[in-house]
Order: sequence, then C-alpha cells, then structure tokens
Amino acid sequence: GENVEQHPSTLSVQEGDSAVIKCTYSDSASNYFPWYKQELGKRPQLIIDIRSNVGEKKDQRIAVTLNKTAKHFSLHITETQPEDSAVYFCAASRDFNKFYFGSGTKLNVKP
Amino acid sequence: KAGVTQTPRYLIKTRGQQVTLSCSPISGHRSVSWYQQTPGQGLQFLFEYFSETQRNKGNFPGRFSGRQFSNSRSEMNVSTLELGDSALYLCASSLEGSLAGPEQFFGPGTRLTVL
Repeated sequence: GENVEQHPSTLSVQEGDSAVIKCTYSDSASNYFPWYKQELGKRPQLIIDIRSNVGEKKDQRIAVTLNKTAKHFSLHITETQPEDSAVYFCAASRDFNKFYFGSGTKLNVKP
Repeated sequence: KAGVTQTPRYLIKTRGQQVTLSCSPISGHRSVSWYQQTPGQGLQFLFEYFSETQRNKGNFPGRFSGRQFSNSRSEMNVSTLELGDSALYLCASSLEGSLAGPEQFFGPGTRLTVL
C-alpha cells in the first residue's frame, strides 16, 4: 500500500517568515494530494489540494508543489501569522476514496 | 448545511469491552471514511464505506469493523478493547463525483479512552 512520510514533525518560525513542509509518497499511481490543517481541539480542515496533472497551485499565502518524478510534494506558507499555528497533515490518494496521511507537522508561529 | 456529526464525543471503556461509534455524514454525501488519530501517528485509515458497502480497508485487525446504513450514517465497532485503542476516532464524508474535488469533511471525533 501507499506510504506517506512527512517532515519535519515540528517547525517553529518567526511571524512573517515562510514555512515549508515536505511529504514523500511511495505509490506512483497516487493522483490526489490534499493538505489539512488541524487547530488544537478541532477537526482537520482542507486548506489546499493538488492533482497529479498540475505541478503547482496557489491560494493567497499558501502554495503546494508536486514533483511526480521524485514522488514528493510540499506545502509553502508565506508571511506566516500566529493564526497559522496548527498541525498540518499531508495526504495521498489513488482513487479519491482511500487516503493515506502523513504523521503531521506541528507549526508554531512566534509573534 | 449541517456538518459531519459524531456521537458520542467522549467514551471511557475498560479492556475487553466493546464499543460502537456513530457518524452522520453531510446530507447527500455517500462516502464515509473512518480514521484513528493518535499522537505522533497522524491519521491512520480504518475503512471507507460507500452505498452501504465497505469499499476500502486499512491495516487494522478484525476487531475493528464497521457498517453503513441506507441513509449513509455509519457505525464503527471495536471489540475486545485494548489499551492501545485509546485514540481520537474521526470520520469524514465526501461527495462522490464532485467537480470541486473529493474533499473530505471531518467530524469532531470521538475520544475513546481504554482503561
């Protein structure tokens, strides 16, 4: 089955700096890669996603890049704000109904 | 539109007991997935149901089972509970065939503690 690895497990940045979280996957047939944000005590929520036919996608301060050859994808957050502090999960899916998640990255944005 | 709901929100059981968790998806969503979330392990996929059929299954022992009803509500059952089953159990629903993408909407979770 699919195996998704996520790094780093914790990330601390100063407000205004950029944050990058990286994930690798093992199944070359995976074709959908969402990113979820989970604030403390709350449910995970989708923040951005990318399909395998696209190399990059942006939504305001958030961007995701995908390298199919190397089988890795990354989340980029620019101009970080304290409210970006949360746990971020990457995931990979082959057929849109079975998702494999990374182990999560705890992002701390220091004011 | 109401979001995904899960009941109960908190549960305390002892080893050897069994437990049933419930999930009501967003109206119109027919796919329901279950995940186990533990610190440091992220979200581990348990199984996914669609139209009352288990369509996908993760790598969990047979003590973990589930079902889905005709109204898309789903239940998850864990028998012979072990201490290691203590976790947050999340369900997520999605709209099959959505042009917007297969976004999964998560419920608030059921926090299970096994003593």
